[in-house]
Amino acid sequence: EDQVTQSPEALRLQEGESSSLNCSYTVSGLRGLFWYRQDPGKGPEFLFTLYSAGEEKEKERLKATLTKKESFLHITAPKPEDSATYLCAVLGGGGSNYKLTFGKGTLLTVNP
Amino acid sequence: SAVISQKPSRDICQRGTSLTIQCQVDSQVTMMFWYRQQPGQSLTLIATANQGSEATYESGFVIDKFPISRPNLTFSTLTVSNMSPEDSSIYLCSVEAGGGYEQYFGPGTRLTVT
Repeated sequence: EDQVTQSPEALRLQEGESSSLNCSYTVSGLRGLFWYRQDPGKGPEFLFTLYSAGEEKEKERLKATLTKKESFLHITAPKPEDSATYLCAVLGGGGSNYKLTFGKGTLLTVNP
Repeated sequence: SAVISQKPSRDICQRGTSLTIQCQVDSQVTMMFWYRQQPGQSLTLIATANQGSEATYESGFVIDKFPISRPNLTFSTLTVSNMSPEDSSIYLCSVEAGGGYEQYFGPGTRLTVT
């Protein structure tokens, strides 16, 4: 069974203080690793898909990287508007063809 | 990507009753999905709904409790039947779009059962 563990559960940063969120996973035949952002009272917003170890994707202050066991979401010089819960999910090659397995998320708070 | 709307956005229901949640997509999609998000827990897939076929349910979820309809390529409904307080949760629909397995989510329906 696919598993995803995110750490830390919560992270509080000062504006401009760079940091990283971790997503560790076990999966049978990785077909994709996904990062989402979720604001309170809203559905998850798609950020990135990573397909293979060594791949990197960037969007504004966010950069996602992937190894064979984990993914990192690096946040450079964050702003208060980056405050949200960040979710990681994997799609494996076994079982249901379209089942995303999610972690519990990291709640990021960026203080001005 | 895809734009997804859900109705209702929230509801408070009495135990033993049923609620039907609607999901509308702005484009035709093959795969639609229903998830549950409970406080402090991961998003959990309830079922996958293909147009023209019966929904496929994940372990722990059954059709009698969560019947799903998928009448066309832009619409689906999820019914939460015979509700109990344990069904209080956020219910989300999603679709696969963009060609890379990524799913796009609706805004969710917050259900409280009293």
